Formats: sequence, C-alpha cells, structure tokens
Amino acid sequence: QVQLQESGPGLVKPSQTLSLTCTVSGGSISSGDYYWSWIRQPPGKGLEWIGYIYYSGSTYYNPSLKSRVTISVDTSKNQFSLKLSSVTAADTAVYYCARGYDGYDGYWGQGTLVTVSS
Amino acid sequence: DIQMTQSPSSLSASVGDRVTITCQASQDISNYLNWYQQKPGKAPKLLIYDASNLETGVPSRFSGSGSGTDFTFTISSLQPEDIATYYCQQYDNLPPTAFTFGPGTKVDIK
Repeated sequence: QVQLQESGPGLVKPSQTLSLTCTVSGGSISSGDYYWSWIRQPPGKGLEWIGYIYYSGSTYYNPSLKSRVTISVDTSKNQFSLKLSSVTAADTAVYYCARGYDGYDGYWGQGTLVTVSS
Repeated sequence: DIQMTQSPSSLSASVGDRVTITCQASQDISNYLNWYQQKPGKAPKLLIYDASNLETGVPSRFSGSGSGTDFTFTISSLQPEDIATYYCQQYDNLPPTAFTFGPGTKVDIK
C-alpha cells in the first residue's frame, strides 16, 4: 500500500520561500505510470491544484502560481519536493502531496498546515 | 481556463435519502471528471474517476454520470458516515496539464 507523508516547516515568514517534502513509501517514485502532485487548501476553503512532476523531471504547474513554484524529485530518496517563493498570508494552507495516474489522484498524504506569518 | 461550478453548495438530507450533486464545466471536458470526498480534518478521498468509474473499495451507493459539460454525482442511500464535503475535479487532457476543482458541496444529515 502506497503511503505519502508531507514534512517541512509549519511557519514561514512573508516574502520567504516555503519548502515541503513528500516521502513516498510502499512503492517506487520512479514508476513511469504515475505522477506526483501538490494540492493545497486554505483554512475553511476549497482545493487548489499547485502542480505535479513525473519521475523523469517533467513538470506541470498551475498558471496562477507558475512564476513562484518549483517541484523537484529525488528518486534516490523516494521523495519529491515543493518550493513556493515570495509567500504571503494568502499562501497559508494545508498542503497535500498525492500520487496521480491518468488524471486522478488515488493516494494522498495526510496534509501539513503551513502558516505564513511574521 | 476551464471553470467548474457545483450545486448546491450545501445540503441537508435524511439517512436513506437519495442525494444528487451537479457539476458543470465551462467548456467540453469529455469525461475528464473526478469526484472526491473530504471529511473534516482529513485528506480528500477519490470516489469516482473519469465521470462514472467507481474507485476500488468505494461503496456502490456512490455513482457518477455525465460527459461534456454536465455531470452528476449521486449517493443512492445517504449514510451517517457520508457526512463530508464533495468536490468535483476536471483535468484537461491525457497526460493532464491542468486541473481545476469545483467549489465543493457540503453534505449534512437532517
């Protein structure tokens, strides 16, 4: 059974870079069949797709966040990561990582709350 | 960008009731439409993929239908454990290059 676990700082200062890592267990991140996604949810609000990466390194990003987002993969550690630069309070959210296949995300991490505040 | 609308935004129903949620896309998305259930404090869970396919292990009281721009999600007999917010999600292609979630429908027990 694939499991995903997000990790990273829970508090980030405005204008700084938010960095999160998702560790995958129970399956290889190098499987060509899957892509690895980041999705976020501001408190009390809906879901927003951030972007995803294939193990090969190909990435796709939400156009509204593209200028600030970088998603990378480390196959040796079975991890993938999210960096979001120049954060503001509007980036405060629960951040989820997920495994996608053919357009749907079947496995999700439990999520991690990141608060942007000085 | 493809926009997604969902209705209603919330509903209350009795145990055993049939519950229907609709999702509309701003342009034709074929059957590129998924449904997720999210319980408070939990990650979303995939219920239906590609408009009408039931994810493995999901109870058969959940179903989805539709294609093009109009989609329907149905719970045939509402159970107490179905209290959650339900989101539709569209993707644009295979492989997908963009996703959009609907605003969600909160389902409560009357």
